Amino acid sequence: NAGVTQTPKFHILKTGQSMTLQCAQDMNHGYLSWYRQDPGMGLRRIHYSVAAGITDKGEVPDGYNVSRSNTEDFPLRLESAAPSQTSVYFCASSFPLELSYNEQFFGPGTRLTVL
Amino acid sequence: GENVEQHPSTLSVQEGDSAVIKCTYSDSASNYFPWYKQELGKRPQLIIDIRSNVGEKKDQRIAVTLNKTAKHFSLHITETQPEDSAVYFCAALSGTYKYIFGTGTRLKVLA
Repeated sequence: NAGVTQTPKFHILKTGQSMTLQCAQDMNHGYLSWYRQDPGMGLRRIHYSVAAGITDKGEVPDGYNVSRSNTEDFPLRLESAAPSQTSVYFCASSFPLELSYNEQFFGPGTRLTVL
Repeated sequence: GENVEQHPSTLSVQEGDSAVIKCTYSDSASNYFPWYKQELGKRPQLIIDIRSNVGEKKDQRIAVTLNKTAKHFSLHITETQPEDSAVYFCAALSGTYKYIFGTGTRLKVLA
């Protein structure tokens, strides 16, 4: 199993441009979430999904959209990037569909810079 | 809203000494408390976790203690080694899906 994968690893955007960060997991996990990590602020949840077709806002959702059309993929969309969205983005998964299990597995991260 | 406070933000210890990182959570309904280690440029990785029905858990040089009454939990690393140098995050699971993270502790183990 590859676990949780993310692409790209690095990207530079200009203000106002759009971008989709990709996340995929092959562990049959139901719960997927996106976090951003900024210096001194830990990990903050942007959006999450508990199953295909179901998404919800996390604690810092403004400026981001998500979709969940199947179990494996959970892309994060920035429609009009702003410098405040410069951050490292992590996708994480947990809760196998058939079990109640709490450990979160993180992807390798995407370092995004908005100029 | 729910939050997790983590202290200290930086910690330097001599190799072989112990390190302790403390977290306090606000949601009394939290029932799962993981600790993550993050090396520079890498993803957070789970190193130990504890559930609310347990007071202490140990895994070789790493231990976690939980005081539900005080809403405190702590990470203890004994016999520290240079490879323990990293940023450590605590977290609390609030409700079914909401993980609240602390702001991290940068641990430096001095050889």
